Amino acid sequence: GAGVSQSPSNKVTEKGKDVELRCDPISGHTALYWYRQRLGQGLEFLIYFQGNSAPDKSGLPSDRFSAERTGESVSTLTIQRTQQEDSAVYLCASSLAQGATQYFGPGTRLTVL
Amino acid sequence: EDQVTQSPEALRLQEGESSSLNCSYTVSGLRGLFWYRQDPGKGPEFLFTLYSAGEEKEKERLKATLTKKESFLHITAPKPEDSATYLCAVQVGDYKLSFGAGTTVTVRA
Repeated sequence: GAGVSQSPSNKVTEKGKDVELRCDPISGHTALYWYRQRLGQGLEFLIYFQGNSAPDKSGLPSDRFSAERTGESVSTLTIQRTQQEDSAVYLCASSLAQGATQYFGPGTRLTVL
Repeated sequence: EDQVTQSPEALRLQEGESSSLNCSYTVSGLRGLFWYRQDPGKGPEFLFTLYSAGEEKEKERLKATLTKKESFLHITAPKPEDSATYLCAVQVGDYKLSFGAGTTVTVRA
């Protein structure tokens, strides 16, 4: 079946602009995660959604970052007033339930000039 | 503080030359240890989950093992298509994964 999809695959933006990244999880997966991967570093947890429960936003690095998810479907990660240090690959993952194996999308490579 | 350290950072192998990758961790209450493979420009691809010391899992030329402080990913007789970055992650709490920085493996024909 279809895996996790993300769009766009690449995004180049200017410092100070807002960007919106999209994630479509595997159908039927109730849990959705966002991670950030900087060059040469491990993946950093950003946010977790589980069904209709309140999301775990503990990994968001600043209030410029926000994310939404509609039910158990698509999620968007928004970065306002982008900075050069936001340049990274943003990865989305989904799992069948809380604590189950996480399956990752291909990522969105964000470059802030 | 939970920590995951992978070594070496990079590994260059000749085709057929077996080797091992190390993932050492310090976490309170391990819920699971995961291995992923990541090809350039792609997302991580799930390989294995290990839950308790002494557990082993195999898939083709890869074998993962777990002790109380570390995990090893053994690559037996690697082929060029095994070239990738291998990521180790530990589950902290009910769902969070804490990742190591990865080991980049290059297998020359």
